[in-house]
Amino acid sequence: SQTIHQWPATLVQPVGSPLSLECTVEGTSNPNLYWYRQAAGRGLQLLFYSVGIGQISSEVPQNLSASRPQDRQFILSSKKLLLSDSGFYLCAWGGTVNTEAFFGQGTRLTVV
Amino acid sequence: SQQGEEDPQALSIQEGENATMNCSYKTSINNLQWYRQNSGRGLVHLILIRSNEREKHSGRLRVTLDTSKKSSSLLITASRAADTASYFCATNNQAGTALIFGKGTTLSVSS
Repeated sequence: SQTIHQWPATLVQPVGSPLSLECTVEGTSNPNLYWYRQAAGRGLQLLFYSVGIGQISSEVPQNLSASRPQDRQFILSSKKLLLSDSGFYLCAWGGTVNTEAFFGQGTRLTVV
Repeated sequence: SQQGEEDPQALSIQEGENATMNCSYKTSINNLQWYRQNSGRGLVHLILIRSNEREKHSGRLRVTLDTSKKSSSLLITASRAADTASYFCATNNQAGTALIFGKGTTLSVSS
């Protein structure tokens, strides 16, 4: 069966520090991969999606970037974090037409 | 940009009552999905309804879809305290490559 791993669960980082969040998927090949951010009490904002290795689409301009170095690995990065980057980051796979999305357990990022 | 918008934003009911949440969307869709999120956790898929379907059931869940009104509703019957969570509707973006979520309805079921 397919599983999705996302880590770490919580992270506290100072302003200006770099960020690297990793997400890996098992049990499927060539998945569509997604990064979402959820502000406190808000809905999910799509940040990036990838339909294949090295293929990244960005939905909103921001201080973050994403990479897909391997088929089942999706990384969210920042060179210098801002306070506004705080939030709950969720990785997901699937979610194309007529399919469901499977989510990781999320990373709570607090930038201080 | 937001595609689906849930209503109400928050709903408080007693155990045993039914809970109805609504979702409105803006553009044409291939399907509409409902997800549940427990506090501080990832989302879990509940049900998918295709654009050519009008109603779908799964256990205590009933979803309706009215494409003419661009709206959907999620009914949870005989609610339980364990149903306490946030519920989101989601539709595909125009390219069919990603899901766009609404802001969600927070459901509180008290015993």
